[in-house]
Formats: sequence, structure tokens, C-alpha cells
Amino acid sequence: AQRVTQPEKLLSVFKGAPVELKCNYSYSGSPELFWYVQYSRQRLQLLLRHISRESIKGFTADLNKGETSFHLKKPFAQEEDSAMYYCALSFSSASKIIFGSGTRLSIRP
Amino acid sequence: ETGVTQSPTHLIKTRGQQVTLRCSSQSGHNTVSWYQQALGQGPQFIFQYYREEENGRGNFPPRFSGLQFPNYSSELNVNALELDDSALYLCASTNGRARSGSGANVLTFGAGSRLTVL
Repeated sequence: AQRVTQPEKLLSVFKGAPVELKCNYSYSGSPELFWYVQYSRQRLQLLLRHISRESIKGFTADLNKGETSFHLKKPFAQEEDSAMYYCALSFSSASKIIFGSGTRLSIRP
Repeated sequence: ETGVTQSPTHLIKTRGQQVTLRCSSQSGHNTVSWYQQALGQGPQFIFQYYREEENGRGNFPPRFSGLQFPNYSSELNVNALELDDSALYLCASTNGRARSGSGANVLTFGAGSRLTVL
């Protein structure tokens, strides 16, 4: 069955430190992977998607099909990065997008 | 351009009752997906509607049903409410039937309807 796993419920790092939010998925076909973010008192919104291969707000994510991972990284954390982050998977032949349970990122000053 | 709007924002029901939640999709979007988000969990896919037809369903019982209207707005109906139905219900819209790499999978979310079942 398709599944998205985010092993960390909470990740706390100091401002300026590197950040890595882990995401692993299980799907035998060709997945499309996303990271969505929810800032305090805001709606869930797209941060980035793997097919775009772009850096958004300093974040990047590389799809590793061998390890079935799509970890989100940022070299230098900023206080405004504090938010809830969700990894999501879309299947090539289905219409639904499934989400992981989320990781709360807290940036300490 | 307007975003996704949901109503009501909060509501309280009792076990066994029925509830209808409403969603207006973003301008230009023709596909609506509904998600249930329990406290501390990620959004769980309920179903998706494309051009007024159900286009995929998650692991939810038949008492969860939906509609999409010609203007692409949508309703989520839940019958025989149970305590475990208490959650935030999110509506998300996108443009086009989902297919790999198309960009149709980028969801625009509403603020949600928080349902409490007592």
C-alpha cells in the first residue's frame, strides 16, 4: 500500500543551523512528491514539488528513488521557517494525494 | 482571483446526526478534494470530484458522500455521525484531472471546517 512516513513529530534547531526534515514513501510506481507547509494561523500551502527542481525560501528536496526518500533541506534555518511541514505523495495512475503525519519545525533564536 | 472558501468554519453536532460542509473552489479550478485532519495527524484523503463525478476515494465508509455542482463548488455530507468524526475537514481545489507531472496535483486549500461531535 502507498504510504508516506515522516519519522519526526518535532524538530527543534537553532537559527542558522542546517535543517533536514525526513520523508520516506512506499510506492512501486513513479511517484510525484511534494512538501506542503502550514505557518501559524495560515492555510496549508505548497512549498515545493520534486518535478520543479527549484529552491523555495532556501529549501530544496531531492527525490531518491533508491532509498524512497524525499527529505527537505535548508542549509541555514531562519526563525520564520517555524511551521508544520507535510510530505505528500501523488500516484501516477490515481487521483488522490496522500500526506504524512507532519513534522513541526521549531527554530530557536 | 478568489481562493478556496469553506463553510461553516466551526460546528457542533451530536452522535447520529448528519452534517453538510460546503466548499467553493478557487476561480479557474474544476477539481475538488476533501480531506479529514484529526488532531495531530496529517490530512487523510476522503474523495475527489472532477466535473461533478467522484474521481477517487480513500478508506472512508459510504456514510461519507459528496457532490460537485456545475460551478465546481462541492459539498461533503456525513451521515450517522460518530465521535471519531470530530476533525478539521479540508477542501482543496486544483485544475484538471490529476495525472503524473501535469501540475494538476498542486492543491490549493481552504481554511477548513472544524466539526465537533458530542
